[in-house]
Amino acid sequence: DSGVTQTPKHLITATGQRVTLRCSPRSGDLSVYWYQQSLDQGLQFLIQYYNGEERAKGNILERFSAQQFPDLHSELNLSSLELGDSALYFCASSVGLAGASNEQFFGPGTRLTVL
Amino acid sequence: AQSVAQPEDQVNVAEGNPLTVKCTYSVSGNPYLFWYVQYPNRGLQFLLKYITGDNLVKGSYGFEAEFNKSQTSFHLKKPSALVSDSALYFCAVRDGGGFKTIFGAGTRLFVKA
Repeated sequence: DSGVTQTPKHLITATGQRVTLRCSPRSGDLSVYWYQQSLDQGLQFLIQYYNGEERAKGNILERFSAQQFPDLHSELNLSSLELGDSALYFCASSVGLAGASNEQFFGPGTRLTVL
Repeated sequence: AQSVAQPEDQVNVAEGNPLTVKCTYSVSGNPYLFWYVQYPNRGLQFLLKYITGDNLVKGSYGFEAEFNKSQTSFHLKKPSALVSDSALYFCAVRDGGGFKTIFGAGTRLFVKA
């Protein structure tokens, strides 16, 4: 158990809908990262937050957004869902910020299926 | 821009034999290098990292990795493979001082009994 929790575990929805994925980082970790893992794209970095502020952006679509709250939990919002958004979404956390050598601790993931 | 390559989609090895999973990287500054493992239906787990110092890094479950600056490589090794090592392995790189960690495409390791 990494200490990172994600809810829900599974999510099935329809095209055009909007969903919210939730992540609670390990106790004491200030950085939260979101990743998308699909069969054809591998593990894609989406976005990183540190102590409530966005710090790095990866291949995140405009239909997707995220935020980190004062209690450090984070939410990833996916809207206008398309079939191709079906994937495993991982949240990870780490202690540090830029230049930090800290490894990331991954949650169990949320499997999103868009029908 | 930083990047990481895992040239093999799959590595097959017999139990008891040594294994190597390859990784090469490109960064502009000093690299921070990581290996993670993913078992089916699980999140990634940290195995080991290189930040500075000794080029041979030891990690969890008997794995080690060798940092080679001239070849910009960070290959994962284990002297004697176990069937339970069968999983998906990811190499990752962070440009020291940067925010982003970039993951390779992953290498699937099959260890046959």
